[in-house]
Amino acid sequence: SQTIHQWPATLVQPVGSPLSLECTVEGTSNPNLYWYRQAAGRGLQLLFYSVGIGQISSEVPQNLSASRPQDRQFILSSKKLLLSDSGFYLCACPEVGRTDTQYFGPGTRLTVL
Amino acid sequence: AQSVTQLDSHVSVSEGTPVLLRCNYSSSYSPSLFWYVQHPNKGLQLLLKYTSAATLVKGINGFEAEFKKSETSFHLTKPSAHMSDAAEYFCVVSDLSGGSYIPTFGRGTSLIVHP
Repeated sequence: SQTIHQWPATLVQPVGSPLSLECTVEGTSNPNLYWYRQAAGRGLQLLFYSVGIGQISSEVPQNLSASRPQDRQFILSSKKLLLSDSGFYLCACPEVGRTDTQYFGPGTRLTVL
Repeated sequence: AQSVTQLDSHVSVSEGTPVLLRCNYSSSYSPSLFWYVQHPNKGLQLLLKYTSAATLVKGINGFEAEFKKSETSFHLTKPSAHMSDAAEYFCVVSDLSGGSYIPTFGRGTSLIVHP
């Protein structure tokens, strides 16, 4: 089975500062990768997904961007954080052998002050 | 286009009583349906999934869900709530889009269990 690592686990950043969240996957190759955001009291919002290296699809317009420099690495970035970027960010990939089922990482709690 | 509606934002039960978390969906095709659980500050864990096999699906921790196509529902139930069941629950529908499965999440139902 696969393992998803997310780094850092928690982060407090000032408004206007840059952001880089990292997701790495073990135990699977060439997976689809997904970034979700969960704001306080709200459900999960799909931000980006990637079907391969350098291939990024954006689901919602925002000041965030994503990159996939390696097969099992997915990075979420921002040049200037907004207060509204606060939330719980989850990386996910399909379960091995079950492409319709999402397997989630432990998440990164981002607080923008 | 697919969508998911979780009919209750909060459900409060006493320990030992039944749990019902409601979910309705819409989808253009025959979807895959899921329930996930999230404990505070944790990632999401798969409870159960429906993929056009048996309409009554059994999951972990004593939960089960019944797929009713005529009602476009996929409600989650458990006969007897335990304190450890207190968490956020998400209903998810997933359809193929451009060759990849793209899930749509409900807004979540917070389950509160009283002693």
